[in-house]
This record gives sequence, structure tokens and C-alpha cells, in this order.
Amino acid sequence: AQSVTQPDIHITVSEGASLELRCNYSYGATPYLFWYVQSPGQGLQLLLKYFSGDTLVQGIKGFEAEFKRSQSSFNLRKPSVHWSDAAEYFCAVGAYGEYGNKLVFGAGTILRVKS
Amino acid sequence: NAGVTQTPKFQVLKTGQSMTLQCAQDMNHEYMSWYRQDPGMGLRLIHYSVGAGITDQGEVPNGYNVSRSTTEDFPLRLLSAAPSQTSVYFCASSPGLAGGPWDTQYFGPGTRLTVL
Repeated sequence: AQSVTQPDIHITVSEGASLELRCNYSYGATPYLFWYVQSPGQGLQLLLKYFSGDTLVQGIKGFEAEFKRSQSSFNLRKPSVHWSDAAEYFCAVGAYGEYGNKLVFGAGTILRVKS
Repeated sequence: NAGVTQTPKFQVLKTGQSMTLQCAQDMNHEYMSWYRQDPGMGLRLIHYSVGAGITDQGEVPNGYNVSRSTTEDFPLRLLSAAPSQTSVYFCASSPGLAGGPWDTQYFGPGTRLTVL
């Protein structure tokens, strides 16, 4: 069965510092991988996605993520965090087609940015 | 474009009552989905649709019904509300790219439902 683990419930970083949010997944085949961001009281916004090809993917707002098959990970990174990045971040793993239709979200990581 | 709209924004129900959460999108997207969000659990898929007239169950479908008579609308019906259905509900639509229903989803602002 698919599962997604985001080990960090909360992360606090200083403005201007680098950021890495961890995501580990369990799935039998190469999944569809997503990172979403949710600001308080808002819906989710897609940051980036990975299906195949180059394992380093670029997204919006200066975020990137790297797919590492050997570690079953899809960690989100940003070189320099801005105060406006404070939000909750969700990793998701999806399958569609011959491997079944399913989308599973992690429990989320709340990012706090200190000035 | 308004994107994905959801009504109402807030709702309080008593146990046993029924209601319909509305979701509409004006982007002509083929796929639509409903999720519930509970603290510490992320989002869980309730039902989804791959086109008008076609729906399927997600991870937590019990107690909910859906139908998709038009491309634009995808209402979620609570048949007999229970306190366990207290949650924030999100609707999403996607254009049906390589990743199917899950690819490049656009989310609505959510409906906060409380069942007493």
C-alpha cells in the first residue's frame, strides 16, 4: 500500500537560511510525486511534481525537489527562505492506471520563519 | 476565471442531518476530487471523477455520495452527518495531464464543517 511520511511536524528556520523538508514514501513502482503548500485558511497550491526523467525538479517560488529512488525520498529544498514561505507543506504520492488509482498525502510540515 | 469555488464556507449540522457541499470549476477540467483535511492527518481522498457521469471511491468514501452530471459541478452529499465527519473539505480539479486526476490539481478554498 502507498504511504507517505513527513518526519518533521514543525521546522523553524531563520529568514535567508536554507531549507530542506523531508518526504519518504512507500510504493511498489515509480509513483507520481507532488509537493503542495497551504497558507493558513487557504486551499493547497502545487509547488512542483515529478513523474519521470530528471530527478531534480524545479517548481514555483524558488523551490526544488530531488527524487532519490534508492532512498524512496522526495525532499523539498529552497536555498534562501523568505518570511512569506511560512506555511504548511504537504508531500503526496499518486498512482493512476494499471497500478490503481490512489493519492496519499503526508501529514504535513509546518514551516515557521524567524526574522 | 474564478477557478474552483466551494459553498458554503462554514456549516454547522446536527447529527443525522444531511447536506450537500457544492463545488464548481470554470476551467473545463476533466477531473475533480473531494478531500477532507483533519489535524495531523494531511488530506484524504473521499471520491473523485474522471469525467461527467464517471465517479469512483477514494480512501474514505463511507458516509458520502457524489455525482457528476456536468463537467463544471461536483457536489458532495453527506447522507446522515456524524461527529466524525467534522472536518475541512476541499474540492480540486485538474486538466488531466500525464499524471491523470492527480496532476496539477487546483484546490478550492474549503468548507469548514462541524457536526454536533
